[in-house]
Amino acid sequence: GAGVSQSPSNKVTEKGKDVELRCDPISGHTALYWYRQSLGQGLEFLIYFQGNSAPDKSGLPSDRFSAERTGGSVSTLTIQRTQQEDSAVYLCASSFASIADTQYFGPGTRLTVL
Amino acid sequence: QKEVEQDPGPLSVPEGAIVSLNCTYSNSAFQYFMWYRQYSRKGPELLMYTYSSGNKEDGRFTAQVDKSSKYISLFIRDSQPSDSATYLCAMMGSGGYNKLIFGAGTRLAVHP
Repeated sequence: GAGVSQSPSNKVTEKGKDVELRCDPISGHTALYWYRQSLGQGLEFLIYFQGNSAPDKSGLPSDRFSAERTGGSVSTLTIQRTQQEDSAVYLCASSFASIADTQYFGPGTRLTVL
Repeated sequence: QKEVEQDPGPLSVPEGAIVSLNCTYSNSAFQYFMWYRQYSRKGPELLMYTYSSGNKEDGRFTAQVDKSSKYISLFIRDSQPSDSATYLCAMMGSGGYNKLIFGAGTRLAVHP
């Protein structure tokens, strides 16, 4: 089947605006992750959803960041009042069950905050 | 100090060379070790996945884990221009420590 998809692929916004990034995981995958990749940096964990359990939000950098996952499938990452330091590639991944299973990544959303 | 250290490179080698990529880590709780390959403007894709210490071979790729030294390696034999990408190491613990921690990635260029 199809892999992980993300939209939009690119997003340019002005400082202070809110943005929503979308992730469609692989069908049947119960675990979903969001990461941030800044220029020249590795992937920074943001949030982890597993089935109906409460998400692990410990990687969210500030309360301007939030994410939800509806119906155990599609997830939306929302960044409120964007700042220039939020500019990065936001990657979504999914896996069958636990975090020890192979994570499959989407192509990412490149966010630029002017 | 970062939990996972990886030289960002760039590393430039001629086609056919053996490439050695490495990461060091500080957390002895890490049990699972992975190498991801990321082409420009694409998401990472899993190359190798090992549990605990030892070697694992898959075609031209060999992953080594030395837990006593907290050191992992990826070797690429007979490197090809198509191997040009960023290689990210990643690792995680077990039980209650289950976050995947990535290195910064090493940019590799294989020139014909």
